[in-house]
Amino acid sequence: QLQLQESGPGVVKPSETLSLTCTVSGDSISGRSYYWAWIRQPPGQGLEWIGSIFNGDTFYNSSLKSRVAISVDSSKNQFSLRVNFVTAADTAVYYCARPYGGHWGRGILVTVSS
Amino acid sequence: DIVLTQTPLSLSVTPGQPASISCKSSQSLLNSDGKTYLYWYLQKPGQSPQVLIYEISSRVSGVADKFSGSGSGTDFTLTISRVEAEDVGVYYCMQGLNLPLTFGGGTKVEIK
Repeated sequence: QLQLQESGPGVVKPSETLSLTCTVSGDSISGRSYYWAWIRQPPGQGLEWIGSIFNGDTFYNSSLKSRVAISVDSSKNQFSLRVNFVTAADTAVYYCARPYGGHWGRGILVTVSS
Repeated sequence: DIVLTQTPLSLSVTPGQPASISCKSSQSLLNSDGKTYLYWYLQKPGQSPQVLIYEISSRVSGVADKFSGSGSGTDFTLTISRVEAEDVGVYYCMQGLNLPLTFGGGTKVEIK
């Protein structure tokens, strides 16, 4: 059974970089062609797609594109998210997902605060 | 970007009664492969979203048959035939036709 687990710091200072990792188990991240995604949810708000990686190609939400990078480490069966120059508006629960298959991690709350 | 508009924003339902949620898309979600990439998710309090329905009306394995999806093109509906206490949460539609993936604003379902 496919499982995804987010990990990373729960607090990031303003203007610094948010870095999260998603560990995938139950399937190979590079075995077949799937979209892997990062999605976030600010407290009390709706869902926002951040970006995806598919067959080595990355796709980003234009609202975040200049600050975001997604990468894959196939040897560890992980994919990662970096968001640069964070502000309070980046405070959210961050989910990693294979959204077309309906597989999501439990999410990790990241708070931007000094 | 494809905009999904969900109505109503919230529903208060008597147990055992039906409920319907609408999701309207700013453009057709029908792909050239003949599939329509419209999904329904339920986010229970404190949990991550769980998929209920994919491609308009296909129920995910293990999802109760009280959940059904219908529609075509730009107009879609999720129906719960008999709402129970375990169905409370926020329901989202999601389109997977184009990037960026986009979600409806959500419909909060509560029990009267």
